[in-house]
Amino acid sequence: EDQVTQSPEALRLQEGESSSLNCSYTVSGLRGLFWYRQDPGKGPEFLFTLYSAGEEKEKERLKATLTKKESFLHITAPKPEDSATYLCAVPTSGTYKYIFGTGTRLKVLA
Amino acid sequence: SQTIHQWPATLVQPVGSPLSLECTVEGTSNPNLYWYRQAAGRGLQLLFYSVGIGQISSEVPQNLSASRPQDRQFILSSKKLLLSDSGFYLCASGTSGDTQYFGPGTRLTVL
Repeated sequence: EDQVTQSPEALRLQEGESSSLNCSYTVSGLRGLFWYRQDPGKGPEFLFTLYSAGEEKEKERLKATLTKKESFLHITAPKPEDSATYLCAVPTSGTYKYIFGTGTRLKVLA
Repeated sequence: SQTIHQWPATLVQPVGSPLSLECTVEGTSNPNLYWYRQAAGRGLQLLFYSVGIGQISSEVPQNLSASRPQDRQFILSSKKLLLSDSGFYLCASGTSGDTQYFGPGTRLTVL
């Protein structure tokens, strides 16, 4: 069964304290792994797509990496404005559907 | 990239009243369209998806229905709302296996 698990559920960091969020997945024939940022009361905002193991993508203080079993979202020297819920998702095997993790709620303290 | 419009942004409805939420998409043709519901502090629950005009797949048996009258228009409806229908409703658009883009969402409160 296709599955996506994110950890931790919540994370509190001091400003400048780097850390990583994890997204573990089980799917036959990965067709992409997607990271989103969601602010309270808003729709998810697309961040990255990763397609193959070893691929990395960066955007400002965020870097996403992918292995055959999991993806990491590394946050370097975070700022309070990075506070949000981060979601990952994969397309399911042989369908048009996507499975989303339950997200990591990140809080960065000034 | 695509732009997803949803309205209304906020809605407060009494139990038993009808519902119609609309989603339109700009910047693409023949997209796959999706309706999700997100409960407070929880993940995204897929409600319906459509791969073409008039084609609707339902994921969760419930009080809601969906329609796709035009290529880039997706409508979520209910004849009689229940308290349990409260939540944050998100429309998304994408092509098979590619990035999904989300609208701003509709906050529905059923009283």
